[in-house]
Amino acid sequence: DTGVSQDPRHKITKRGQNVTFRCDPISEHNRLYWYRQTLGQGPEFLTYFQNEAQLEKSRLLSDRFSAERPKGSFSTLEIQRTEQGDSAMYLCASSHTGGGTSGRSYEQYFGPGTRLTVT
Amino acid sequence: AQSVTQPDIHITVSEGASLELRCNYSYGATPYLFWYVQSPGQGLQLLLKYFSGDTLVQGIKGFEAEFKRSQSSFNLRKPSVHWSDAAEYFCAVGAETSYDKVIFGPGTSLSVIP
Repeated sequence: DTGVSQDPRHKITKRGQNVTFRCDPISEHNRLYWYRQTLGQGPEFLTYFQNEAQLEKSRLLSDRFSAERPKGSFSTLEIQRTEQGDSAMYLCASSHTGGGTSGRSYEQYFGPGTRLTVT
Repeated sequence: AQSVTQPDIHITVSEGASLELRCNYSYGATPYLFWYVQSPGQGLQLLLKYFSGDTLVQGIKGFEAEFKRSQSSFNLRKPSVHWSDAAEYFCAVGAETSYDKVIFGPGTSLSVIP
């Protein structure tokens, strides 16, 4: 297994355009997370999936943001009508549970991130 | 609400010197604690974690951390720093939920002088 992968690694877009990012988690991991990281800050939680179900969305995730994980494998994060404030690194992570669907999971493994620049 | 503070925004050490990065957390129960490292252009890599048991935790790359409940701290240490350790270091706490949302601190940037 090659770890968590994200595509693209870099995206430059003009304000008002839509963008979509993809995350491929480690294959046996049932949990997938999206984080946003701005310069000089730690990652901030955006949303979380267990298998294909999106179970929580942060208040940081406005209605312009949508995430999917249609078959419980890869996930996409779409930002509509991008704004300059959306410029950030978008990180994906995955983990697996130790026991049961509500059990604590092991540590999260992070992908390299997608750096978004909105001009 | 859970939170993590890292009092030092930036630290500079000489190669071969010892290192201690500070981390304090706010949490109602026994926390799950992590240290991650992020090198430029790289994803976050887990250095070590504390879930329970021995409060002195050994990690990769010669790092260790000590959980001190009385001080709500989880400081990261390394006895001898290498130039390749220059990176951003994040302390994090596992949130008290069933799905382990992780709350990150703001990070400490480490520079190493040859």
